[in-house]
Order: sequence, then structure tokens, then C-alpha cells
Amino acid sequence: GENVEQHPSTLSVQEGDSAVIKCTYSDSASNYFPWYKQELGKRPQLIIDIRSNVGEKKDQRIAVTLNKTAKHFSLHITETQPEDSAVYFCAALETSYDKVIFGPGTSLSVIP
Amino acid sequence: EPEVTQTPSHQVTQMGQEVILRCVPISNHLYFYWYRQILGQKVEFLVSFYNNEISEKSEIFDDQFSVERPDGSNFTLKIRSTKLEDSAMYFCAASRGEETQYFGPGTRLLVL
Repeated sequence: GENVEQHPSTLSVQEGDSAVIKCTYSDSASNYFPWYKQELGKRPQLIIDIRSNVGEKKDQRIAVTLNKTAKHFSLHITETQPEDSAVYFCAALETSYDKVIFGPGTSLSVIP
Repeated sequence: EPEVTQTPSHQVTQMGQEVILRCVPISNHLYFYWYRQILGQKVEFLVSFYNNEISEKSEIFDDQFSVERPDGSNFTLKIRSTKLEDSAMYFCAASRGEETQYFGPGTRLLVL
């Protein structure tokens, strides 16, 4: 089955700097890759997603890139703000099994 | 973002007791899922449900777990005889069969 790895596990950046989180997946059949933001005690919230027929997608300060050949994808947050502090999970959809496999998460701290 | 609702928000139970967690998915989102998240860990897939039957389940979803949609609106997860290690946050999610899954606020289950 699908396995998703994520790095780093913790990340601290100064406000205004960029943050990059990287993930790899194992199943070449996966074709949908969402990113979720989870604040303490709250639900995972979808912040951006990318499909395998797209190499890059951007939404304001957030961008995601996908390299299908290498089976890795990344989240980029520019001009970070304290409210970006949260745990970020990358994920991959196993299309044959209709389930989302999550990475282990990255705890992002944005220091004012 | 569409809203999935869950009840109760918190549940405390004694080991060996049965618990039922409830979810009200978004209307016209007919694919349902349960995930769990042990404190400080990643979100883990439990089961997916479509057209009144399980479409996929993980190794976590053993005979102690069951799901049903008893009245056409609520979607429930039952744990027949709870164990200490069942203590976790349980998230319901829904989708329209496209890739995007929307998560409910979760039920925090504590087994004593």
C-alpha cells in the first residue's frame, strides 16, 4: 500500500521568511495529493491540493509542486505569519482504495 | 469549506464498554470515511463507506469496529468493546467521490 514520508518533523522560521515542507510517496498509482493544516485540537483543514497532471499550483502565499517521476511533492509558504503556525500534513490518495494516506506531519512555528 | 458535523465532541468511557460516534456528512457528499488520530501522531485511515457498504478498511478496523448509516443522514462508528489504546481523536470525513475530503471537528474519545 501507499506510504508517505514527510520532512522535517519540526520547522521554525522567522516571520516573513519562507517555509518548505517535503514529502515522498511510494505508490506510483496515487494521483491526488492534498495538504492539510491542523491547529491544536482542531480538524485537519485542506489548504491546497494538486493532481498528478499538474506540476505546480499556487494559491496566494501557498504553493505546491509535484514531481511524479521522483514521487515527491513539496509545500512552500512564503511571507510566513504567526497564524501559519500549525501542524501540516501531506497526503496521497490511493485511487484504488479511496483512502487518504497521511504523512507524519510537520510542526511549523513562525516566530514573530 | 463545506461542514461535516460530529457528536459528541468528547466521550469518556470505561474499558470494555461500547461507544457510538456520530457524523452528519454534507448533503450530496455520498462517500464517507472515518479516521483516527492518537495524540501527537498522524491521522490514520480506518474505513471508507459508499452506497451503504464498506469500500475499504485498514488493519486497524478489526471486528470490534463497525459502521452504518442507520437513517440516511447520520453515519456512525461503533466500537463494541473499547480498549485503552482506542483513546484518540476520531474524525469523520465526506467527499463527493472526487478526491477532496472534508473533515468534521472530531470526537475525542478517552477510554479509562
